[in-house]
Amino acid sequence: GAVVSQHPSWVICKSGTSVKIECRSLDFQATTMFWYRQFPKQSLMLMATSNEGSKATYEQGVEKDKFLINHASLTLSTLTVTSAHPEDSSFYICSLPLAGRSYNEQFFGPGTRLTVL
Amino acid sequence: AQRVTQPEKLLSVFKGAPVELKCNYSYSGSPELFWYVQYSRQRLQLLLRHISRESIKGFTADLNKGETSFHLKKPFAQEEDSAMYYCAPTSNSGYALNFGKGTSLLVTP
Repeated sequence: GAVVSQHPSWVICKSGTSVKIECRSLDFQATTMFWYRQFPKQSLMLMATSNEGSKATYEQGVEKDKFLINHASLTLSTLTVTSAHPEDSSFYICSLPLAGRSYNEQFFGPGTRLTVL
Repeated sequence: AQRVTQPEKLLSVFKGAPVELKCNYSYSGSPELFWYVQYSRQRLQLLLRHISRESIKGFTADLNKGETSFHLKKPFAQEEDSAMYYCAPTSNSGYALNFGKGTSLLVTP
């Protein structure tokens, strides 16, 4: 299967600062990646679809100016949480489809735990 | 509205007992349905997709369009099956996944 990494695995920051989270595909290329958010004891919620070479598509209720997504290469997507606040504390997970199979078969990164003080 | 319902937050069964994790969906069109599993301290991984009609780790799931259900079943649960299970139909865009709230399965000896 595909190998997806995320960096960092956890981060603690002060309120008002920006945090960048990287999602890398280590062994195949992906034109699309997805970003999810998971609050404690809750399910994953799709935040946005990251598209290589074009703008990301955001789900309803997700502020695009707050959660900046960049997909500059076929193996890297980044999510930047700008001016983070305590309510942004969550588990952020990326995923991407395996090329050559059903588009909906996705491989997930290990997640990044963000804590905003 | 697109909706996925997993009514049980926690399901506890004894080893060797049958287990059924329920999933009901409310989707327009013909959704593609998946079960994902997350073992302790591991990342989410695909367990089953309905199109394949396969059996993975002894689990099966049948799509019942009449009841709009996609329940996950296993005849004899094992301790290593203890995990968080998510039912996930495709979203409106057809590409990403909308997850149910998940069911935590605990298999005790």
